[in-house]
Amino acid sequence: GENVEQHPSTLSVQEGDSAVIKCTYSDSASNYFPWYKQELGKGPQLIIDIRSNVGEKKDQRIAVTLNKTAKHFSLHITETQPEDSAVYFCAASDQGAQKLVFGQGTRLTINP
Amino acid sequence: EADIYQTPRYLVIGTGKKITLECSQTMGHDKMYWYQQDPGMELHLIHYSYGVNSTEKGDLSSESTVSRIRTEHFPLTLESARPSHTSQYLCASSEGAGAGELFFGEGSRLTVL
Repeated sequence: GENVEQHPSTLSVQEGDSAVIKCTYSDSASNYFPWYKQELGKGPQLIIDIRSNVGEKKDQRIAVTLNKTAKHFSLHITETQPEDSAVYFCAASDQGAQKLVFGQGTRLTINP
Repeated sequence: EADIYQTPRYLVIGTGKKITLECSQTMGHDKMYWYQQDPGMELHLIHYSYGVNSTEKGDLSSESTVSRIRTEHFPLTLESARPSHTSQYLCASSEGAGAGELFFGEGSRLTVL
């Protein structure tokens, strides 16, 4: 089955700097890669996703890149703000499985 | 805002008690899931359902059971709670065929003394 590895487990950046979180996956059949943000006391919420037919997707200050050959994908947050502090999860799935496999999570802290 | 609700949000009970965590969604989604989230943050799939009268065990073995009698309702039950069951339980739903966006509830934090 699919296995997703996420790094780093914790990340601390200065407000205004960029943050990058990386994930690798094992199943070459995987074709859907979402990112979730979990704020304290809440459930995870989808912030951006990418499918295997594109290499990059951007939505304001967040972007995701996908390298299918190397089987890794990354989340990029630019101009970080205090409200970006949260736990972020990557995930991978193939259409047939209909289930997401999550990475271990990254606790991002934005320092003012 | 996702329309998926979990109750109770917090529960503290003694060992041996039976508990049921409720999960309801008003989006008409066929697929529903239960995840267990440990203090180390990781999300572990313990149960899922693709529709009424359909339930499957997830990737992490769990002593809990689930039922899906109505599309909108996916309760999780522990017949005899133990301290090892102390955790955060998250319910989610999604629509359509294949992998797609999961909508999560806010979670039920269970503490077994």
